[in-house]
Amino acid sequence: SYVLTQPPSVSVAPGKTARITCGGNNIGSKSVHWYQQKPGQAPVLVIYYDSDRPSGIPERFSGSNSGNTATLTISRVEAGDEADYYCQVWDSSSDWVFGGGTKLTVL
Amino acid sequence: QVTLKESGPVLVKPTETLTLTCTVSGFSLSNARMGVSWIRQPPGKALEWLAHIFSNDEKSYSTSLKSRLTISKDTSKSQVVLTMTNMDPVDTATYYCARIYGDQVVGAFDIWGQGTMVTVSS
Repeated sequence: SYVLTQPPSVSVAPGKTARITCGGNNIGSKSVHWYQQKPGQAPVLVIYYDSDRPSGIPERFSGSNSGNTATLTISRVEAGDEADYYCQVWDSSSDWVFGGGTKLTVL
Repeated sequence: QVTLKESGPVLVKPTETLTLTCTVSGFSLSNARMGVSWIRQPPGKALEWLAHIFSNDEKSYSTSLKSRLTISKDTSKSQVVLTMTNMDPVDTATYYCARIYGDQVVGAFDIWGQGTMVTVSS
């Protein structure tokens, strides 16, 4: 089965840049999607196909994917960005797979 | 406006069968570019994909839960139904339905329902 590995937590000061990684075997060959989930709410798509942003998602959110690591980057972090973030891919052996999630804390 | 809404029991007993319904609006389940998945999240834990139904009625299931799951749809009612047999307390979770638009395999879950919390307890 295909496994996506995320750091359990990332902390960043307001105004700084947060980077959340998602590791997987040759993940660079797959399409990676990222979701933001705030407490008590459903996940929201923030990045799709590695680096595309849905309408309504701030330009501060960006993504990249290469080799064995995909990265979600949040620039000029705001208090409202505090949430859990999940990466997700489709794999032929495991179908739809989510990472374990990363809790972003804004200091 | 595209929406999905889950409904079903809040509480089920161990060994019972859970039936959840996802009612969609703003799009048709017969649209070739649409598919719907069920995804769950135990309290404080990560998201777990369960099952998917494609526009052509093809189905896909989580390997670990395949023997317990059945997904189906009623296009005329705009509903996707998930049944899970032999419920156990470890199945306590919030259950979400979510849409994939576009490429129904590698596409993203672009719209999610609000989720429905299911507790398994005697």
